[in-house]
Amino acid sequence: DIQMTQSPSTLSASVGDRVTITCRASQSISSWLAWYQQKPGKAPKLLIYKASSLDTGVPSRFSGSGSGTEFTLTISSLQPDDFATYYCQQYNSYLYTFGQGTKLEMK
Amino acid sequence: EVQLVESGGGLVQPGGSLRLSCAASGFTFSSYAMNWVRQTPGKGLEFVSTISDNGGNTYYADSVKGRFTISRDNSRSTVYLQMGSLRPEDMGVYYCARAAGYDYWLLQYWGQGALVTVSS
Repeated sequence: DIQMTQSPSTLSASVGDRVTITCRASQSISSWLAWYQQKPGKAPKLLIYKASSLDTGVPSRFSGSGSGTEFTLTISSLQPDDFATYYCQQYNSYLYTFGQGTKLEMK
Repeated sequence: EVQLVESGGGLVQPGGSLRLSCAASGFTFSSYAMNWVRQTPGKGLEFVSTISDNGGNTYYADSVKGRFTISRDNSRSTVYLQMGSLRPEDMGVYYCARAAGYDYWLLQYWGQGALVTVSS
């Protein structure tokens, strides 16, 4: 199985900050990488697919980049609604796997 | 509006069985692959199973192969997960998720989840 490793596990930031989360794959996944946002008690929500494409309705302050084994999710200016846990997912094959999550908390 | 509503979760003893259902609305159900994903305290988010749009192809995680069966009824816009020989490590929240078009494993819409507790 392809292992996905996110860093950091926890990130403390303030409204207006620019933040970046990194996701590394144990082998190349081309651009088959998605990012999800999850709030407590809720299902994950798709933000970005194919490494850098925003899903419909996702604010433009979210962006993704990378290919191969290293990827990043950037939030350009944190808003109060963005404090949540973020997961990357590789969907290179049916044995898709998720990162362990990055909890973005208020400083 | 796409809606996915899971049901059938609950408390079951180790070795027992449970069937989850996911009723879909707001889209042409028969045109999309469907997935079950679980979230457990031990392993986080984890692929469980996928079924193709017509039900002809199914996929399973190694950890559930031979114990779980995914199926769908396109006339009822419902996908099912029959779970057997349940173990404590199967305990968690089970989500059904709709694929994004031809990307079977890109999870565009999720249900609210069904809690499965495996305990004696």
